[in-house]
Amino acid sequence: DQQVKQNSPSLSVQEGRISILNCDYTNSMFDYFLWYKKYPAEGPTFLISISSIKDKNEDGRFTVFLNKSAKHLSLHIVPSQPGDSAVYFCAASAKDGGSYIPTFGRGTSLIVHP
Amino acid sequence: DSGVTQTPKHLITATGQRVTLRCSPRSGDLSVYWYQQSLDQGLQFLIQYYNGEERAKGNILERFSAQQFPDLHSELNLSSLELGDSALYFCASSVAAVNTEAFFGQGTRLTVV
Repeated sequence: DQQVKQNSPSLSVQEGRISILNCDYTNSMFDYFLWYKKYPAEGPTFLISISSIKDKNEDGRFTVFLNKSAKHLSLHIVPSQPGDSAVYFCAASAKDGGSYIPTFGRGTSLIVHP
Repeated sequence: DSGVTQTPKHLITATGQRVTLRCSPRSGDLSVYWYQQSLDQGLQFLIQYYNGEERAKGNILERFSAQQFPDLHSELNLSSLELGDSALYFCASSVAAVNTEAFFGQGTRLTVV
């Protein structure tokens, strides 16, 4: 049973346009959400996070939106650049015994065309 | 470079064997996590250690075990290996036990033949 779902395995976008990566979750106890980026042959790299007390967090070209009622979050990349081509993982965590252990989705492969 | 070092990068071994994966966390990080990524799967959490103590356990098989040493490096031991254990194994570290942001190593690709 997947608690964090990234339903689009891949996304193709033109350079300069907006990339929108989506993520849905089922566990209402999740209260902290993260996005990681992964290049081939490298480990995931933390990108941006958002707490459930917020509905938006912005860091440069990256913005994460959280819709708690819909149990949905999205990552917007504006403008998209070829270097953004990577696999993006959504992760969610809930406080359990004092430790947040993120549950990851299966990832979305983003390709940004020049 | 995340500062997390995993060795070896690649490992090929036969079914039934035992292997040890090693992880050195970032300097100053007390918490170490192990994740498994199988083909087309997300990152599956296995186990977390904090300052030498087991902190949280995920979907870790009984054939797998881990420990964190006084110098904070960690080892993941996989025994009685099966073909299905072939995967990428990632180690991550963070400063605190609360995993608000973890730094991942490059992973160890294990192939069981």
